[in-house]
Amino acid sequence: DVKVTQSSRYLVKRTGEKVFLECVQDMDHENMFWYRQDPGLGLRLIYFSYDVKMKEKGDIPEGYSVSREKKERFSLILESASTNQTSMYLCASSSISQGEWSYEQYFGPGTRLTVT
Amino acid sequence: AQTVTQSQPEMSVQEAETVTLSCTYDTSESDYYLFWYKQPPSRQMILVIRQEAYKQQNATENRFSVNFQKAAKSFSLKISDSQLGDAAMYFCAYRRGNTPLVFGKGTRLSVIA
Repeated sequence: DVKVTQSSRYLVKRTGEKVFLECVQDMDHENMFWYRQDPGLGLRLIYFSYDVKMKEKGDIPEGYSVSREKKERFSLILESASTNQTSMYLCASSSISQGEWSYEQYFGPGTRLTVT
Repeated sequence: AQTVTQSQPEMSVQEAETVTLSCTYDTSESDYYLFWYKQPPSRQMILVIRQEAYKQQNATENRFSVNFQKAAKSFSLKISDSQLGDAAMYFCAYRRGNTPLVFGKGTRLSVIA
């Protein structure tokens, strides 16, 4: 089974702090994604990566950056946390192969971040 | 840009009954994939069912089935014999090739015992 893990389930940070959210997948997937989930807004894509060292902006990249130094790890960075970044953050991964379950994204359990 | 619309923010169903969740999408492409994901309370998002646009036959996974109307750009999810464990947020999603999923805003399903 594919496993996507996130470093914390719950996180509380203060305004202005630098925040790191870590995501690790164990299935050698090429693609990794960071989403933000807010009530009534669904999932919105922050950043994604098709390969090591590569990154692409999603729909709401402002205030965030990412790092992918190893294939299995994709980090989301909040350079200076703000209260409007309080949210649930979901990491996902997928393979580019075209097998039976091609293009399915596998999700981590999420990190609920509160910025006070 | 592709968009996915779920017009029902909340729905409820009696246990053992059938419920249909609606989803429409907008795309100019002919080859793509559609998905329904389930997110139980405080639990991980999991895939329920998927549909390839080039397949005319509607996908089915046990009690879950879809009604895929390509011309109408409609992709509804039917849950038969609803169970308490079906209570969750359900997200419809679209994907073309190796691009990120585009999600709808979700439908919260409650199951009444």
